Amino acid sequence: QQPVQSPQAVILREGEDAVINCSSSKALYSVHWYRQKHGEAPVFLMILLKGGEQKGHEKISASFNEKKQQSSLYLTASQLSYSGTYFCGTRGSGNTGKLIFGQGTTLQVKP
Amino acid sequence: KAGVTQTPRYLIKTRGQQVTLSCSPISGHRSVSWYQQTPGQGLQFLFEYFSETQRNKGNFPGRFSGRQFSNSRSEMNVSTLELGDSALYLCASSWGNDEQYFGPGTRLTVT
Repeated sequence: QQPVQSPQAVILREGEDAVINCSSSKALYSVHWYRQKHGEAPVFLMILLKGGEQKGHEKISASFNEKKQQSSLYLTASQLSYSGTYFCGTRGSGNTGKLIFGQGTTLQVKP
Repeated sequence: KAGVTQTPRYLIKTRGQQVTLSCSPISGHRSVSWYQQTPGQGLQFLFEYFSETQRNKGNFPGRFSGRQFSNSRSEMNVSTLELGDSALYLCASSWGNDEQYFGPGTRLTVT
């Protein structure tokens, strides 16, 4: 089951904040966040694991609500370089389950 | 350390033909996953190989198949191509179940 991301698109001015949400109808083991810039491959941002462990870039902030099967990615004081499409991926069947990605959230940061 | 490489980068095929795409993971990575990316559809999971065994499979028809070799290099094959198979095919490697490193993709056009 593909996770659902919201919003589908967001436009910001430099310095503004944004939150991208990811929700699943199934119990989740982990949530993964990636960013893809136009014409480039997706790049890893963060993994949030059941139980509270997180691995990822220090400048990226995210949360994982295991009870609600939801995750949120927090982009604060946005920079032009934050522009791109953000994908959340979810594993629902333990550590070796398939990683299923949402449809993506397009973020555009304007000067 | 060299990144994930995919060959060829671009491919044009005719309906009914078959195609083989190749992916060389980062040295030491044992897992290779394949995704199909089309506009508006996000990253659709095809399959994942770990130590030469298919560990997970997505919801694609049997025309899509793959394999992984002892050196972790992976190939995917699509037989009897259809127009709807036109897409960017991405492979991603990881050591196990953690962050994935994506290759640049193979852009397949079916005419």
